[in-house]
Amino acid sequence: GNSVTQMEGPVTLSEEAFLTINCTYTATGYPSLFWYVQYPGEGLQLLLKATKADDKGSNKGFEATYRKETTSFHLEKGSVQVSDSAVYFCAPPSRTGNNRKLIWGLGTSLAVNP
Amino acid sequence: NAGVTQTPKFQVLKTGQSMTLQCAQDMNHNSMYWYRQDPGMGLRLIYYSASEGTTDKGEVPNGYNVSRLNKREFSLRLESAAPSQTSVYFCASSPATTKGTDTQYFGPGTRLTVL
Repeated sequence: GNSVTQMEGPVTLSEEAFLTINCTYTATGYPSLFWYVQYPGEGLQLLLKATKADDKGSNKGFEATYRKETTSFHLEKGSVQVSDSAVYFCAPPSRTGNNRKLIWGLGTSLAVNP
Repeated sequence: NAGVTQTPKFQVLKTGQSMTLQCAQDMNHNSMYWYRQDPGMGLRLIYYSASEGTTDKGEVPNGYNVSRLNKREFSLRLESAAPSQTSVYFCASSPATTKGTDTQYFGPGTRLTVL
């Protein structure tokens, strides 16, 4: 079946360091790809999304490009802040008939030290 | 606009007890979901409701039942709680338009401990 593979954590960085969290997926024909973020003690919230191949999603300094040829949607940020400490989830959709359920990566925990 | 609300926020049960987790959304969304989140397991879908009046099993439905009471509300029931059901439970909703795939909006979660 369809699956998503996300870089394992935890990832620990110093403030202002460069961040990459890798995400690859199997299956084709995804209309949209997503990254969600979960801050401590909260539910998940959408960080960014891309709606077609080669599309770049961006938000709060984070970016990810939908690479259809490599089936990847890696998350990047040029300079992380302490407030970026959270768990990040890659979620390409899984089609089931007319229902589109997201399949979730295991999440990558990020800790940013001052 | 409260988004997705869940009650209770915390709950402790004894093995064999029953309880219902409540979820409501005020965004007029068609689809609603129940997930559980466990360390090292990521987010796993328990049940979902594509539209009012329909429910379907997800990845881990055993030990749970759901009710889509109306378009706004989607409840999750544990009939006989087991320690393996200790987890954080999230409700989510999405517009479920016919084109593309929708963003899901999550509630704050219910932290359940079964002793």
